[in-house]
Amino acid sequence: GESVGLHLPTLSVQEGDNSIINCAYSNSASDYFIWYKQESGKGPQFIIDIRSNMDKRQGQRVTVLLNKTVKHLSLQIAATQPGDSAVYFCAENRGGTNFGNEKLTFGTGTRLTIIP
Amino acid sequence: DTEVTQTPKHLVMGMTNKKSLKCEQHMGHRAMYWYKQKAKKPPELMFVYSYEKLSINESVPSRFSPECPNSSLLNLHLHALQPEDSALYLCASSQVDSYNEKLFFGSGTQLSVL
Repeated sequence: GESVGLHLPTLSVQEGDNSIINCAYSNSASDYFIWYKQESGKGPQFIIDIRSNMDKRQGQRVTVLLNKTVKHLSLQIAATQPGDSAVYFCAENRGGTNFGNEKLTFGTGTRLTIIP
Repeated sequence: DTEVTQTPKHLVMGMTNKKSLKCEQHMGHRAMYWYKQKAKKPPELMFVYSYEKLSINESVPSRFSPECPNSSLLNLHLHALQPEDSALYLCASSQVDSYNEKLFFGSGTQLSVL
C-alpha cells in the first residue's frame, strides 16, 4: 500500500543546534505536503507546507525541502529551542481528480526532544 | 479569531451512554473534519463536511454519528461505544480552496470508554 512514513521515530538535539526531521512518501501522485507540530495535550499545529511544483520553502526558523525524485520530504528547524520539543508529523494530499475524494494522510510522527 | 474550539476537553462514558462532542470555529471555513488519534499514533480521518454536507465517511462505524448544523459548528454524536474507541478526537477546519490541505486543528476531546 501507499504510505507516508518517517525514517526516525525519535530525535534528540542540543538546544541551539539545527534539527532535521525526515519523511518518506510513496505516492508519486501526491502534490501537496504539510508539516504539523503536536505538543502534549494539544492538537496538531501547522508549521509549513509545500506544493510539488516547489523544492524548497522557508518560514521563520523552518525550511521544508521536497525531493520528488526520491519521494523525500524534510523539515529543518534552525537554532532549536526548548519549545520545539514535540511530535512532528508530515502529511500528504494526493490531490485527486474528483473533488471530495482526496484526503490528508499523516505519517507516523517523529518525537523531537531538545536537550537544554 | 484563528481558533477551533472543542468541548468537552475530557469525557468519560460507559458503553451504554449517549454523548456528543462539539466543535466550533469562526474563521469562515466551510470544510470541517473529524479525526481520531490513538496514543502515539498519527491522526486518522473519520469524516469530512464541505458546505455543511458530508463529503467523506471513512467507513466509520454507525455508533459515531456526525452532524454539521451550520457553517460554524460540527458535532460528533456517540452511542454504544466500545473501550477500543477510547482516543483523542480532533476537530479541524479549512477553507474550501484548501480542502484536505491546510487544516486548523482544535485541542481535541480525550475520550475514555469504560
